[in-house]
Amino acid sequence: GAVVSQHPSWVICKSGTSVKIECRSLDFQATTMFWYRQFPKQSLMLMATSNEGSKATYEQGVEKDKFLINHASLTLSTLTVTSAHPEDSSFYICSARKGSVSNQPQHFGDGTRLSIL
Amino acid sequence: GQNIDQPTEMTATEGAIVQINCTYQTSGFNGLFWYQQHAGEAPTFLSYNVLDGLEEKGRFSSFLSRSKGYSYLLLKELQMKDSASYLCAVREVDNQGGKLIFGQGTELSVKP
Repeated sequence: GAVVSQHPSWVICKSGTSVKIECRSLDFQATTMFWYRQFPKQSLMLMATSNEGSKATYEQGVEKDKFLINHASLTLSTLTVTSAHPEDSSFYICSARKGSVSNQPQHFGDGTRLSIL
Repeated sequence: GQNIDQPTEMTATEGAIVQINCTYQTSGFNGLFWYQQHAGEAPTFLSYNVLDGLEEKGRFSSFLSRSKGYSYLLLKELQMKDSASYLCAVREVDNQGGKLIFGQGTELSVKP
């Protein structure tokens, strides 16, 4: 089955630090990847859609300069949380779609729990 | 825009059947997904509906009525391990092949 790997799984760092999260599709090519954020006891909120070779599309209210997304290859997308602050502490989850629209589900990485002190 | 509603929490007994409802309003519907998420873990895919009707997969079934903007997930022969959050997600058409928008999730507690 389709596997999405996300790294790191857990990050604890000081306020002001920039943190990079990687999302890899291990056994398929993903033209499109998605980044979500999830606060405790809440659902997944889509932050941005990442497309290989082009700029990411951000959802309303998500700061582009704060959350930098790079999708340099068909198997790798990265999310960098720049100058992270305690309010950025959350569970960040990436997902990748195998193939084009059709009926393919999005497959999720295991998530990254980010804690900013 | 979109609006997806599902109950916040439900409780059921081991061995029983439970139905989790989801209603949605979206500007460009292109399929509805159900995911299961255990605490601290990523969601795992359960089912997909794009046409009206019932899709059955083992102990799990999902139903869709596009005209009513309504879906449900049916879980049979409940087991303790089914205690989790169940997320209804609608794929909304955009110029990039579609994106998944999630409901708030339904926290299901299965009791002995």
